[in-house]
Amino acid sequence: GQQLNQSPQSMFIQEGEDVSMNCTSSSIFNTWLWYKQDPGEGPVLLIALYKAGELTSNGRLTAQFGITRKDSFLNISASIPSDVGIYFCATPGDGNQFYFGTGTSLTVIP
Amino acid sequence: DAGVIQSPRHEVTEMGQEVTLRCKPISGHDYLFWYRQTMMRGLELLIYFNNNVPIDDSGMPEDRFSAKMPNASFSTLKIQPSEPRDSAVYFCASIKLYGKNTGELFFGEGSRLTVL
Repeated sequence: GQQLNQSPQSMFIQEGEDVSMNCTSSSIFNTWLWYKQDPGEGPVLLIALYKAGELTSNGRLTAQFGITRKDSFLNISASIPSDVGIYFCATPGDGNQFYFGTGTSLTVIP
Repeated sequence: DAGVIQSPRHEVTEMGQEVTLRCKPISGHDYLFWYRQTMMRGLELLIYFNNNVPIDDSGMPEDRFSAKMPNASFSTLKIQPSEPRDSAVYFCASIKLYGKNTGELFFGEGSRLTVL
């Protein structure tokens, strides 16, 4: 399957800090998706990006579709304890396979 | 509306036993996916179906794994015989795809399998 590499692998931050994470691939994609997985739950879609260069916000979350179409970025502003979880990037392959990245684990320290 | 429903939520079994995981996708969705999640390998796509037909099973680890979708509202993932290395959380997800853009992939709560 496709290899989607996320960095950093894990983050420990203080409540109120901003967070940045990214996802890169060796292949070009037309759609980038960002999911969050709470402990003991399945991933839930946060933001979907459909166009190179697109910048989309969802509350305190902002995601960007890289110009090269090989990467995407997710930023969380003013983090709060409920932001804890694992964040995944994902993309549907040519056949709609929906590959997921390696994940970024976020811990917010109150 | 009910989401993707998986059962059982937890299963503990002994090596060599048969395990069957079940999934009911969201009504009207035409794609169904099975994923396996472990700390070491993350979220791996095992197999996916379109309109009940398996499209790509290249992610199925080996012949011990099989999946079926007899109708639009039910799918099973079977492991026979099970081994300790099969211990993981297995997720089912479904989506209705339309137009050029991708819709939202909805996940179930997962089935946590422990093989002793």
